[in-house]
Amino acid sequence: QVTLRESGPALVKPTQTLTLTCTFSGFSLSTSGMCVSWIRQPPGKALEWLALIDWDDDKYYSTSLKTRLTISKDTSKNQVVLTMTNMDPVDTATYYCARILDSSSAFDYWGQGTLVTVSS
Amino acid sequence: EIVLTQSPATLSLSPGERATLSCRASQSVSSYLAWYQQKPGQAPRLLIYDASNRATGIPARFSGSGSGTDFTLTISSLEPEDFAVYYCQQRSNWPQITFGQGTRLEIK
Repeated sequence: QVTLRESGPALVKPTQTLTLTCTFSGFSLSTSGMCVSWIRQPPGKALEWLALIDWDDDKYYSTSLKTRLTISKDTSKNQVVLTMTNMDPVDTATYYCARILDSSSAFDYWGQGTLVTVSS
Repeated sequence: EIVLTQSPATLSLSPGERATLSCRASQSVSSYLAWYQQKPGQAPRLLIYDASNRATGIPARFSGSGSGTDFTLTISSLEPEDFAVYYCQQRSNWPQITFGQGTRLEIK
């Protein structure tokens, strides 16, 4: 049974760095083809892909946010961590982690999401 | 970046009716297109992958079609639980992934 769960602060101040952790079970990120992504959704708005890390530790970022994002994994803990620097109120959103296989077109499993509010 | 444009933005239908949702890509994405359903307060749920394949557990009333730049999600006969927001997503230029802006399916 595949599950993912996001954790991190609910509130961050402008200019601070956000660190989110995705803890997953039911699969291994050392298995060939396995990938985990971060996706966010501002309140009432559409989904936005942020970053992806694959089983081979290759990392990819949204072009528009790449200077602010870092994704990493700890295979032994079944965790993927996303950091986003210089947070701004427009970064207020629900942040999701999700699994995707590099051979697939789709995110097949998602976490429940964590709402992050950026406010002073 | 490949832009996905969904239409209509809002679709008002009654239970039992047929729903047709469109997703158009700014350039060909082959068949690397997926559809998701999202209800308030919930994570997106995968419905269709590779343009036309139903995900595990998805009812047969959901179907996807298309390739290249034009895609359609069809719900053959709407059930009350189908009223939600639907998103398309592409991964053609892996791993730069994009989502459409969504179509809200509301009860008429």
